[in-house]
Amino acid sequence: GDSVTQMEGPVTLSEEAFLTINCTYTATGYPSLFWYVQYPGEGLQLLLKATKADDKGSNKGFEATYRKETTSFHLEKGSVQVSDSAVYFCALRMGAGGTSYGKLTFGQGTILTVHP
Amino acid sequence: SQTIHQWPATLVQPVGSPLSLECTVEGTSNPNLYWYRQAAGRGLQLLFYSVGIGQISSEVPQNLSASRPQDRQFILSSKKLLLSDSGFYLCAWSADYRSEQYFGPGTRLTVT
Repeated sequence: GDSVTQMEGPVTLSEEAFLTINCTYTATGYPSLFWYVQYPGEGLQLLLKATKADDKGSNKGFEATYRKETTSFHLEKGSVQVSDSAVYFCALRMGAGGTSYGKLTFGQGTILTVHP
Repeated sequence: SQTIHQWPATLVQPVGSPLSLECTVEGTSNPNLYWYRQAAGRGLQLLFYSVGIGQISSEVPQNLSASRPQDRQFILSSKKLLLSDSGFYLCAWSADYRSEQYFGPGTRLTVT
């Protein structure tokens, strides 16, 4: 079945450091890819997405590029802030119809802590 | 605008007790609805989804059930809770299977 694998956490960085959170996927077909963020005590929010190969999703200084050849969707940010401390989830959604009904398949999540 | 509500926010229940978690969506009609669970140290897992009133699909066999008695209401239930039911339960909605899923604030359930 479809699956998503994220790098193990937790990740601890100093403010203004460069962030990379690795995400790879396995899917039969061409999924859409997502990064969700969960701030402490809150539900999930969509951070960015990409729907086809070579698409780059970006939001709030975060970026991720859909790499079909390496089945990856790594999340990056050039300079993290304390307010970026959260749990980050990579997810995929398969395409049209069938029995997927828009089901999201998530990775296990990566806890990011940014210190001043 | 659309909003999604979940309650209660937190719940502590003894093993063997019943469960009812409620999710309601405002500002849209005939949404797709989803229940996810986030167990400690694990990722999110889809439990149930619904494309219409009375239409429930289960992703994982378990101790839980779901119902959709009204268009914008989605209920997660159990007759007898297990310790392994502890976790963070998230409800989500989308306009259709292609659209973004919007998540509620979640319910943290601790079974003791």
